[in-house]
Amino acid sequence: EADIYQTPRYLVIGTGKKITLECSQTMGHDKMYWYQQDPGMELHLIHYSYGVNSTEKGDLSSESTVSRIRTEHFPLTLESARPSHTSQYLCASSVGQGFLGFEKLFFGSGTQLSVL
Amino acid sequence: GESVGLHLPTLSVQEGDNSIINCAYSNSASDYFIWYKQESGKGPQFIIDIRSNMDKRQGQRVTVLLNKTVKHLSLQIAATQPGDSAVYFCAESHISNFGNEKLTFGTGTRLTIIP
Repeated sequence: EADIYQTPRYLVIGTGKKITLECSQTMGHDKMYWYQQDPGMELHLIHYSYGVNSTEKGDLSSESTVSRIRTEHFPLTLESARPSHTSQYLCASSVGQGFLGFEKLFFGSGTQLSVL
Repeated sequence: GESVGLHLPTLSVQEGDNSIINCAYSNSASDYFIWYKQESGKGPQFIIDIRSNMDKRQGQRVTVLLNKTVKHLSLQIAATQPGDSAVYFCAESHISNFGNEKLTFGTGTRLTIIP
């Protein structure tokens, strides 16, 4: 089992508030990811990082931002939350040592965000 | 862009029976495929993976079959148990000039095991 933790598990917040979703992993993985997932739908990559001080935008445009100051920590921030941001946010990490070198992602339990 | 899609959004199977979850992909350059299981309230968990130079790989009670000719992937779960009830995602990736690509996930199939 991978050790990757997300807090909070659930967050209900009003429009316009600034929020930070926390993600930490204790495996020393260089690569970390944020996915957005609506109920019963596929996962969409919104941010990823290949290591400290590395951040890239993913396939799905997002108004959120991320930072990677420490290997183990990859927080996601929304400066001004809106109802359209309501979704589940999943954090993942990988070391690139999966099957024949391909990525195998380990996921956290997610943060369910509801913006009123 | 490329897509990975599943044939059926829901599947119900009697406990003890075998189940087959299908997945179609469109990127002919896909090198690597992976199945994840997501239980309610949890993040996806790795089940099994397969590379494009293989057509079958087996794990504990699970088998993944890859048919590159028709770009089709399937996950077979033998002797299903109540704990197998979950949403199952397939995902694909391929090597780029910059190293491993990001995984592209398809829409999940919800598997329900009937007691």
